[in-house]
Parts: sequence; C-alpha cells; structure tokens
Amino acid sequence: SQKIEQNSEALNIQEGKTATLTCNYTNYSPAYLQWYRQDPGRGPVFLLLIRENEKEKRKERLKVTFDTTLKQSLFHITASQPADSATYLCALESDYKLSFGAGTTVTVRA
Amino acid sequence: DTAVSQTPKYLVTQMGNDKSIKCEQNLGHDTMYWYKQDSKKFLKIMFSYNNKELIINETVPNRFSPKSPDKAHLNLHINSLELGDSAVYFCASSQGGNEKLFFGSGTQLSVL
Repeated sequence: SQKIEQNSEALNIQEGKTATLTCNYTNYSPAYLQWYRQDPGRGPVFLLLIRENEKEKRKERLKVTFDTTLKQSLFHITASQPADSATYLCALESDYKLSFGAGTTVTVRA
Repeated sequence: DTAVSQTPKYLVTQMGNDKSIKCEQNLGHDTMYWYKQDSKKFLKIMFSYNNKELIINETVPNRFSPKSPDKAHLNLHINSLELGDSAVYFCASSQGGNEKLFFGSGTQLSVL
C-alpha cells in the first residue's frame, strides 16, 4: 500500500539552528513533491514544489531535496526563527489525488 | 481579499442533523477540493471538482454530497451527521492538476 512517512511528529530546535525534516514514501512514483506549512487553526499554505528531475530547490531560508532512488525528500529551514514554528506537511500525487503526510511540528526556541 | 473562503468557521450540531459548509474561491481556478483533517492531523481528500464536474470521489459515505453551482463555488452537504464526522474540513482550489493547492481556513465540525 502507499505510505508517506514524516520522520517525527515534533522537532524542537534553538533559534538560529537548521531544522531538517524528512519525508519518505512507499509505492509512489511522483512526478513532483510538495511541502506545505500549517499553523494552528489555519489551512495549509504551499511552500515549495520540487520535480523528479530536480535534486534541490531553494526559497529564501528553505531548501528542499528530492531523491527518487531513496524515495525521500529532505526539507531544511536554515537560520531558524520562532516565526518558523508550525507544522510542515509533505504531499505527493498519485492517481490525480494529492496525498499528505501527517506532518512534523517544528518549535523554534528563542 | 481572501483567496479561498469557507463558512462557517465552527459548526456544532447534534447527531442526526443535516448541515452544509460553503466554499468560494476568487482565484479563477478550475479545480476545487474538499479535504478532511482528523484528530491525528491526517489530511485526506474527499472530493475534487473540475469546472463543476466531479472528478474524484473517495470512499466517503454517501451522506456527504458535494455541489458545485459554478467553478468558483464548491459546497459540502452532510446528512444524518454522526459522531465520527467530527473533524476539520478544508476546501482548496488549484489551477489544473494538483500543483500548488490554495486552502481555506477550515471548518471545525463538532457532532455531539
């Protein structure tokens, strides 16, 4: 069966450090992978999309890698700030449906 | 201006009642979705419409009926509400395919 697993439910880090989140998938052959941010009481907000032929993508302090051999994406938040505290979700498409992982909640301590 | 707006934000109701959630997007997108987020935070797709036509209908009880009067609106009607229907329901839209979804702020449904 298809699975999307995000490495941990929660990640606590010190301000200024780099947060690294993992998204592993099974039985998907995605053309692309997406990352979203969700704040409490709000809907997910799109952050980045990386295609299967791209190894790395950056947006400001965010960096995403995509390894289709390992079936894994890594999401990095560099120079983290308390405002980065949120839940981060990875998402994959299959059969015209976008499926989400359960998310990793990041808490950045000042 | 809110891109994807859904109402109400909160919905508290008794078992057995019928309720509706409305969604509107002003982005000019062709595709709209309903997702359900349960207490464990899993987001699962329920329905997808493209230009008012149903294209995805996941394994959802037929008590749930989406309706799209035009491509900017996708409403969700739920009959005979059950305790297990309690969740947060999100509306979303995209410009074709599943790239870059825009979500509403959610409707928290509590069935007592």
